[in-house]
This record gives sequence, C-alpha cells and structure tokens, in this order.
Amino acid sequence: DAGVTQSPTHLIKTRGQQVTLRCSPKSGHDTVSWYQQALGQGPQFIFQYYEEEERQRGNFPDRFSGHQFPNYSSELNVNALLLGDSALYLCASSFGLPTEAFFGQGTRLTVV
Amino acid sequence: AQRVTQPEKLLSVFKGAPVELKCNYSYSGSPELFWYVQYSRQRLQLLLRHISRESIKGFTADLNKGETSFHLKKPFAQEEDSAMYYCALRGLTQGGSEKLVFGKGTKLTVNP
Repeated sequence: DAGVTQSPTHLIKTRGQQVTLRCSPKSGHDTVSWYQQALGQGPQFIFQYYEEEERQRGNFPDRFSGHQFPNYSSELNVNALLLGDSALYLCASSFGLPTEAFFGQGTRLTVV
Repeated sequence: AQRVTQPEKLLSVFKGAPVELKCNYSYSGSPELFWYVQYSRQRLQLLLRHISRESIKGFTADLNKGETSFHLKKPFAQEEDSAMYYCALRGLTQGGSEKLVFGKGTKLTVNP
C-alpha cells in the first residue's frame, strides 16, 4: 500500500492562473481532507470530501474548490492564484469517524 | 472557536534529558487531542492520540481538561526524536465535526 499519494510534488504558477492538485487516498479510505500549510505555520483545514460531497469547509474563499471521484480520489482547484496561496498543500485520508488521518507528502505550490 | 497553542517554536535539549512539548487548547465541547510528528523529509504522521492512552516511542501525553492542556513528554530524549511536532484538536460533535485544528508546531532538536 503506497499510502496517500499526491501529485505533483512541486508546482510553480503565475499570479492569476489556476491550479489543480491531485490526491489518491490510502487503500480502503473513503474520506479526503485538504490542508494548507504556509511556511512556519501548522496545517490549516480547507475542506473535506466524503461520498463525492463536500462535507465540511474551513475559512477559505470560494477560489478554493474541490472534487471527489467515485474511486475516492480527490482534486483541489485554486482559481485566480495570489502570491499568498504559496504553501504546502496536504491531503489526508481516513475511513469512518473518528479515526486516524493519514497524510500525503504534500504538493509545494509557489506562486510568482 | 477551536484553537491550539504551542508556545514554543523551538526547543533544544541534550540527549538523555527529559523533554516536554507544551500544548494548550481552546474548545467548548469535548475535544479529541493528537500529537503529529514530521521527521526531516518525511510526511506528517500520527504520534499518539489521547483516547488510546498509548506510549509511542517513549512519548506520553495526558489530557488535562482543567488546564486545557495536552503536553507531550518523554523522560529521556534521543537524537532520533529531533523533528517538528504538531499538536492537533478534533472537535467531537453530534454532527461529527472532523476537521483537525493544528498548532503552529514546535521544532525539537536533541543534541548529542
């Protein structure tokens, strides 16, 4: 089991562009959560997907959107990128509630 | 509001010395507390959770609801304990709130 996998590992985008990040959950997991980790900060919850629906959302603008596919994989989309969106984006998967969340290695997004 | 505070950004101890990483939380309901660890170039991983009452790699943490604290302790630090440590809270509500709220982290360095 490869665990939670995220792609790409690194990404450089220009301000105003759009980006899509991808996450494959750990085998057997059905819930995917996304977190943003700015430099020197702890991870901050963006949203969570379960059964292809957004179940809960953190304090992020509508520029951040997501999707979950029938195979439980997920995408995070960010539109109209700002310099402040530069961060490590983490995906975490879990099964059931409450349970341990397993994290991926993250995608390092740099907006220039 | 849910909040996790880790007052020490950096903590440095010598090998064999006791170590305590502080964590205080703010939550009106019944919280579930976790410690996550991130070793150099590795993904964020769960170290321990208060409901399991386990001791992992010699670390323990006791939830003190009176002081709203969940400090992480180890009697004899090892060099391999050097890492970034994050305290996290998950609110337990009837609706099943699942987001993790993280502190900003404490970087522990164990010197030889």
